[in-house]
Amino acid sequence: GAVVSQHPSWVICKSGTSVKIECRSLDFQATTMFWYRQFPKQSLMLMATSNEGSKATYEQGVEKDKFLINHASLTLSTLTVTSAHPEDSSFYICSAMSFSGNSPLHFGNGTRLTVT
Amino acid sequence: DAKTTQPNSMESNEEEPVHLPCNHSTISGTDYIHWYRQLPSQGPEYVIHGLTSNVNNRMASLAIAEDRKSSTLILHRATLRDAAVYYCILNYGGATNKLIFGTGTLLAVQP
Repeated sequence: GAVVSQHPSWVICKSGTSVKIECRSLDFQATTMFWYRQFPKQSLMLMATSNEGSKATYEQGVEKDKFLINHASLTLSTLTVTSAHPEDSSFYICSAMSFSGNSPLHFGNGTRLTVT
Repeated sequence: DAKTTQPNSMESNEEEPVHLPCNHSTISGTDYIHWYRQLPSQGPEYVIHGLTSNVNNRMASLAIAEDRKSSTLILHRATLRDAAVYYCILNYGGATNKLIFGTGTLLAVQP
């Protein structure tokens, strides 16, 4: 089945530094990837839609300058949390779709970010 | 986006069937009904999806009401590994697969 790999699975960084999270589709090409954030005991919150070769579309309330998304190829999207603060500590999850029109989404296993 | 309503939590016994309900009274004609589940500290996993007819796969069955305002995910024999949060999501039948997650149902499975 389709696999989405996310790296790293966890990261600890100091306040003020930037962290990059990678999301790769391993056995299929993903024209569109989605980035979610999840706080403890809460549901997933969609942050942005990442389209290969174009600018990401951010959901309302998500700062595009803080959460930089790059989708440079059909198999890789990256999320960079810039100038991280403790309140950015969260579980970040990416997903990708292999076909358009209601095909299932394939999710990565998430990245646990802790900002100290 | 049309909304879904699910019970916050449910309990089941191992090896018994589980029926997880979902209400979506504002569903439109082109909205697909998707189900995903999330185990602790993992990304969501696709379970099943459908439009109008009932659907079966190796993981579960999806029963869709005739008026499509509700659906039920059926796990035929719950196992301890089925303990997870189950999300019922409506997806517009277009080119995008943007999924907006609700609060889901936390399923506990007792041995």
